[in-house]
Amino acid sequence: DTGVSQDPRHKITKRGQNVTFRCDPISEHNRLYWYRQTLGQGPEFLTYFQNEAQLEKSRLLSDRFSAERPKGSFSTLEIQRTEQGDSAMYLCASSPAPTGTYGYTFGSGTRLTVV
Amino acid sequence: SQQGEEDPQALSIQEGENATMNCSYKTSINNLQWYRQNSGRGLVHLILIRSNEREKHSGRLRVTLDTSKKSSSLLITASRAADTASYFCATDGGGGNKLTFGTGTQLKVEL
Repeated sequence: DTGVSQDPRHKITKRGQNVTFRCDPISEHNRLYWYRQTLGQGPEFLTYFQNEAQLEKSRLLSDRFSAERPKGSFSTLEIQRTEQGDSAMYLCASSPAPTGTYGYTFGSGTRLTVV
Repeated sequence: SQQGEEDPQALSIQEGENATMNCSYKTSINNLQWYRQNSGRGLVHLILIRSNEREKHSGRLRVTLDTSKKSSSLLITASRAADTASYFCATDGGGGNKLTFGTGTQLKVEL
């Protein structure tokens, strides 16, 4: 297992377009998280899955954002009608258990630039 | 929203020196974790300390936790150029569902 994979690494899109990012977690990990990070800031929580169930969503996740994790394996994060404020690094992480036991394993992120 | 703040925001030291970073947080926690991030990359988990622990060691890392002051510190001893990165503290509020990250300390270790 090579860790958490995210695709693409970079995405440049025009304002108003839709984008979709993919995350492949470590196969044994049943928990998957999406975070967003802007320059000079720490990661901000977006949403969390346990297996295929989306158990928590941040208020940051507006109606234009949707995340799925079909069959509890890979996950996708879609942003519709992108805005310049969506420009950020989108990070995916996975863990095998609640956060109090193990740390997260992060992917390298997808950097989104909306022009 | 950010749970904690790291101090200092930026730190520049010479190779071989020790680096100390501090983290303050606002609400009660179940545990606190430290992560490292190299420029433009994902975060790497360094160490986890539970709320009933006061100090923990891992290699050249030493973490302390003072729940009465809602603060933690990360000490990196005998720093190396490869330690140059941003360091973030993250808190688990007890729900076990997510971590809340601080604003980070940028560490630069010069040869």
